[in-house]
Amino acid sequence: GAGVSQTPSNKVTEKGKYVELRCDPISGHTALYWYRQSLGQGPEFLIYFQGTGAADDSGLPNDRFFAVRPEGSVSTLKIQRTERGDSAVYLCASSLRSSEQFFGPGTRLTVL
Amino acid sequence: GESVGLHLPTLSVQEGDNSIINCAYSNSASDYFIWYKQESGKGPQFIIDIRSNMDKRQGQRVTVLLNKTVKHLSLQIAATQPGDSAVYFCAGGSSYKLIFGSGTRLLVRP
Repeated sequence: GAGVSQTPSNKVTEKGKYVELRCDPISGHTALYWYRQSLGQGPEFLIYFQGTGAADDSGLPNDRFFAVRPEGSVSTLKIQRTERGDSAVYLCASSLRSSEQFFGPGTRLTVL
Repeated sequence: GESVGLHLPTLSVQEGDNSIINCAYSNSASDYFIWYKQESGKGPQFIIDIRSNMDKRQGQRVTVLLNKTVKHLSLQIAATQPGDSAVYFCAGGSSYKLIFGSGTRLLVRP
């Protein structure tokens, strides 16, 4: 079956611009997660959704980052006033149970 | 706080040999541990998990061992194949939140 998909696969933007990253979870998965992965590092937790609500957004680095999941399926991670330090791979995962999170291929964000 | 780390950044093995990738964790609060495989340009792929009340779990060609006394986790891959070349991450989980280590790159020599 279809796995987690993320679009775009690559995004290049200029410092100060606004970006949106999209995640389509596996159908039926109620939980959705966003992670950020810097080069040579493991993924770092950003935010967790259970259904439509953000159950834990403690990993978001600052208020420039925001994520929504209005209908409990697709999620969008939004980054305002991008900075060069935001450059990373942004990973989305979904799950039925928390100990088996399935990851998408990621969006590679480059801020020039 | 919680940290999950790995002993070696790179492991090189001969094709057909068994591979052992190690991981140490500092916090006993994790309810479970997961091993992920990540190939270049792809997201992490779930390999196997183990609950904190277990000490061993086997999958297809893989075995995970958990030693809570010394807070150590290992992934054993039997008969390593070229397709096993990737970066391997261990992650400790409590409820929904995963904390990942920095990864070990496995290189398989033909």
